[in-house]
Amino acid sequence: KQEVTQIPAALSVPEGENLVLNCSFTDSAIYNLQWFRQDPGKGLTSLLLIQSSQREQTSGRLNASLDKSSGRSTLYIAASQPGDSATYLCALNSNSGYALNFGKGTSLLVTP
Amino acid sequence: KAGVTQTPRYLIKTRGQQVTLSCSPISGHRSVSWYQQTPGQGLQFLFEYFSETQRNKGNFPGRFSGRQFSNSRSEMNVSTLELGDSALYLCASSQVGNEQFFGPGTRLTVL
Repeated sequence: KQEVTQIPAALSVPEGENLVLNCSFTDSAIYNLQWFRQDPGKGLTSLLLIQSSQREQTSGRLNASLDKSSGRSTLYIAASQPGDSATYLCALNSNSGYALNFGKGTSLLVTP
Repeated sequence: KAGVTQTPRYLIKTRGQQVTLSCSPISGHRSVSWYQQTPGQGLQFLFEYFSETQRNKGNFPGRFSGRQFSNSRSEMNVSTLELGDSALYLCASSQVGNEQFFGPGTRLTVL
């Protein structure tokens, strides 16, 4: 069974800092990996999708990488802003099904 | 293009009742998945439908059921509600194998 872990569970940084969120998984047989953000009480907003054959994806200030051999993905946020404050979730779609396996998320607070 | 819509947004029920939640996917998306989110368990997969067929089911009791219609809209039903069913229920749609897009969710409170 795929286990997805996100570290740290919470993170507080001053505005302007570059930061890295980590996601690790136990089964490298994945179809794709998706990063989401969730604001309190809201649904999930898709940030980046990395297919199994890809190593990284970029969108604006966000860059996500995937290393299947080590079972790790990272989300890099450049020049953080208070509006980036949210919970960031990593989710994997395995080869064997159509369900996303989610980590518990990293709660990010960017202070002005 | 309109996003995933879910109705109702909020629902309050009492134990023993049943509830039906609705999800309309993004136009052209034929895969619809449902997830339950609670503070303790996080996001857990309920089931996934494609072309009116359930292709995958999570580890939930039979009180949780769903269906998909020919226009790809989906409903999920929970019978004999328990206090522990209180959660945010999220629906996601996608084109097969691709990025999943989530709706705003339905907040269910069971009293």
